[in-house]
Amino acid sequence: AQSVAQPEDQVNVAEGNPLTVKCTYSVSGNPYLFWYVQYPNRGLQFLLKYITGDNLVKGSYGFEAEFNKSQTSFHLKKPSALVSDSALYFCAVSPGSSNTGKLIFGQGTTLQVKP
Amino acid sequence: EPEVTQTPSHQVTQMGQEVILRCVPISNHLYFYWYRQILGQKVEFLVSFYNNEISEKSEIFDDQFSVERPDGSNFTLKIRSTKLEDSAMYFCASSLQGAHSGNTIYFGEGSWLTVV
Repeated sequence: AQSVAQPEDQVNVAEGNPLTVKCTYSVSGNPYLFWYVQYPNRGLQFLLKYITGDNLVKGSYGFEAEFNKSQTSFHLKKPSALVSDSALYFCAVSPGSSNTGKLIFGQGTTLQVKP
Repeated sequence: EPEVTQTPSHQVTQMGQEVILRCVPISNHLYFYWYRQILGQKVEFLVSFYNNEISEKSEIFDDQFSVERPDGSNFTLKIRSTKLEDSAMYFCASSLQGAHSGNTIYFGEGSWLTVV
C-alpha cells in the first residue's frame, strides 16, 4: 500500500535553533514529494517539492528538504527557526504509478517554536 | 498570484440536507480535486477530476457525493444527504498538469462544513 509517514506528532524547537520535521514514504515507482504548511483555520500552502535532480531542494520561507532514496525519506529542515514558523506541516507524495495526479498526505506534524 | 477560491467559508446544515460547496480553480489548470480534513487531522483525498470526468475517487466518495464542473470556471462538490460524520473542512485544489507530472497542487482556503 502506498503511504506517507510523519513519525512525530509534534516537534518543539527554540527560536533560532535548527529544525527538522521527518517524513518517510512507501510508494511504487519514482515518487514526487511535496511539503505543505497549514496555519490555524487556513488552507494548505505549498512550501517545496522534489521532482528530480539535486537531492536538496529549497523552498519558501527559508525551508529546505533533503530527498534520500535509500532511506525513502524527505525530511523538512530550516537552519534557524522563527516563532512564526509554528504551524502544522504535511508531507505528501504523488505516486509514480498514478495518472490522476492526486497526493497522498502524511498525518501532519505540529511545529512549535518557542521564543 | 492566482489562487483557488472557495465558498462558503463556513456552512452549518441539518443532518439529511443537501450541501453544495463551490470552488473556482486557477483559470488555466486542468486537474481538479476535493480533499477533506477532519478537525486538523490528516488530509484525505476524495476525488480527482480531469477532462470533464472523475479520474479517481476514494472509498470515502460514495454515492452521496458528486462533483460537477458546470461551466468553464466553477467546480462543485455536492453532498446529497449529509451525515454527522461529514463534518469537516473541505478543500478544493487544482493543478496545471497534476502532481504525477511534477506539477504543484494548489489548495483553496477551505469550506468548513458542520452537520448538526
